[in-house]
Amino acid sequence: GQQLNQSPQSMFIQEGEDVSMNCTSSSIFNTWLWYKQDPGEGPVLLIALYKAGELTSNGRLTAQFGITRKDSFLNISASIPSDVGIYFCAGQLPGGYQKVTFGTGTKLQVIP
Amino acid sequence: GAGVSQSPRYKVAKRGQDVALRCDPISGHVSLFWYQQALGQGPEFLTYFQNEAQLDKSGLPSDRFFAERPEGSVSTLKIQRTQQEDSAVYLCASSIGGKNIQYFGAGTRLSVL
Repeated sequence: GQQLNQSPQSMFIQEGEDVSMNCTSSSIFNTWLWYKQDPGEGPVLLIALYKAGELTSNGRLTAQFGITRKDSFLNISASIPSDVGIYFCAGQLPGGYQKVTFGTGTKLQVIP
Repeated sequence: GAGVSQSPRYKVAKRGQDVALRCDPISGHVSLFWYQQALGQGPEFLTYFQNEAQLDKSGLPSDRFFAERPEGSVSTLKIQRTQQEDSAVYLCASSIGGKNIQYFGAGTRLSVL
């Protein structure tokens, strides 16, 4: 099935560093979502974006909905050990379509 | 409970067996979704219910997969004659409705031997 292209696939960073990851699609989305998934758990929503150009923050997390509506990025500032996990971007198509299409994931490891 | 509950958490099946996976959505949530997550991949949409009506089943990989939500609350995903390629985590999510936030359960990890 179709999935969004997410990069990087994985990253190792030092505690305290900032992190950036992005997501691109060949389709236009009306909604962009960023989720975090811990081992053995379901994805948990971090940030939802509803308008092209929108920039939204949630604590140390900032995400933007690209102007073209085909991309989004997520930044994490001053990383801490509990930021470890897999981050997924996801999108919802225009119209009443509720299905969420997920990206391929970015695995983040934080070195204390 | 407060969140989406799935059972069992782990299921081991012999190839050819039928399995049934259960999802208890958040009380009052109209929309219910099933996703399949293969190892190292993002979740992939399987099917969507609004109350008891199955409005989209475009993601079901074959006619061996069947989902139901007869009373608009609990849902069951059934896989008949399981194959090794069915091994994955099956996630259930629910939402109030519309394009509201989907809340995910912890999933059922299915291993087909």
